[in-house]
Amino acid sequence: EAGVAQSPRYKIIEKRQSVAFWCNPISGHATLYWYQQILGQGPKLLIQFQNNGVVDDSQLPKDRFSAERLKGVDSTLKIQPAKLEDSAVYLCASSLDRVQPQHFGDGTRLSIL
Amino acid sequence: QKEVEQNSGPLSVPEGAIASLNCTYSDRGSQSFFWYRQYSGKSPELIMFIYSNGDKEDGRFTAQLNKASQYVSLLIRDSQPSDSATYLCAVNPSRDDKIIFGKGTRLHILP
Repeated sequence: EAGVAQSPRYKIIEKRQSVAFWCNPISGHATLYWYQQILGQGPKLLIQFQNNGVVDDSQLPKDRFSAERLKGVDSTLKIQPAKLEDSAVYLCASSLDRVQPQHFGDGTRLSIL
Repeated sequence: QKEVEQNSGPLSVPEGAIASLNCTYSDRGSQSFFWYRQYSGKSPELIMFIYSNGDKEDGRFTAQLNKASQYVSLLIRDSQPSDSATYLCAVNPSRDDKIIFGKGTRLHILP
């Protein structure tokens, strides 16, 4: 079974630029999550999708972050404009449903200069 | 605010001994509990999950859940240097709530 795929693995941009991350979940997984993990901390949920609908985006900074999951499969997370404090690893995870264990992709390490 | 608490460590354990990692949670109605292992520079990897009170064993790993006291533990028997990592506890308060991760406990197995 193929795991959660994410790209790119690394991204370096300057502040105020924009960036986009892509995630392809495990086949058949209805729930998809985007997390932000800052060094030394646990993952922080940014947004949770159930199929193509948003379940929770309460911690998503909506003035600069956006995410979509068209057709209920792949998802993209965008930051525009980026701030220095956005430097982190962005993790995508998926699960069969909202109470099943989550499986994580390799993440995207974002550095803001 | 619902919280998941873990001792940040580092927890140092001699090779071959039992490592005991603890996690407490604030929402008494929490339903699902997960342990993830995260190596430095890598993403979290699911080790164990438990839904019911009591113990669940998988190889060298045992998860223990005590809902009355609101804690969940992970025991690692016969600890190996390869077990050195950060262990994340995650709690799903309910089907309609978002999962909450603790900050993780750094475990160091001493050869």
